[in-house]
Amino acid sequence: GAVVSQHPSRVICKSGTSVKIECRSLDFQATTMFWYRQFPKQSLMLMATSNEGSKATYEQGVEKDKFLINHASLTLSTLTVTSAHPEDSSFYICSATLPGNTIYFGEGSWLTVV
Amino acid sequence: GENVEQHPSTLSVQEGDSAVIKCTYSDSASNYFPWYKQELGKGPQLIIDIRSNVGEKKDQRIAVTLNKTAKHFSLHITETQPEDSAVYFCAASINGNQFYFGTGTSLTVIP
Repeated sequence: GAVVSQHPSRVICKSGTSVKIECRSLDFQATTMFWYRQFPKQSLMLMATSNEGSKATYEQGVEKDKFLINHASLTLSTLTVTSAHPEDSSFYICSATLPGNTIYFGEGSWLTVV
Repeated sequence: GENVEQHPSTLSVQEGDSAVIKCTYSDSASNYFPWYKQELGKGPQLIIDIRSNVGEKKDQRIAVTLNKTAKHFSLHITETQPEDSAVYFCAASINGNQFYFGTGTSLTVIP
């Protein structure tokens, strides 16, 4: 069964609005979660590392004010795309690391900004 | 930092044949190498992994080999089936602190 759950799987929002994507670790506590963005037929691009109880660490070139990450508990991290624009339309994926360094990915969230 | 290269980018095989995907890495400190299968519209799924203290690992039709000296590792799928068609990603990591992904291989198994 799923180890990491991501919600929603698909979301359509209007340009200028904000949308939140949730990533939950099931049956384990994840002090660190990762958020990726994936364009069609391309590899995963790490956006940020989400740390429980502290600020997220963003990769170079990722706007932290646009992609707000909150890791409020050991089982939940959220990614909020603020003031979304059509160019933000993409497939967003989270992952969490289990003890032993195995990482599992969420099912992914398709964001379409119209 | 680590650089992971993956080849080929696309691969077509006849059902029943074997498929091999190769990855190279640059950082000799990398010690964990997972492989992921991603079906269309879904998140990547871990299919097999190998750690640097092992040279080969097998799980039914899937096997992974690691050559630390040459810094390359490969995924082998035998007796391929149409449901094996997907995009496969390799990754390299140092103790799970950061994962570097290959660019992916789109595998098509022709019935």
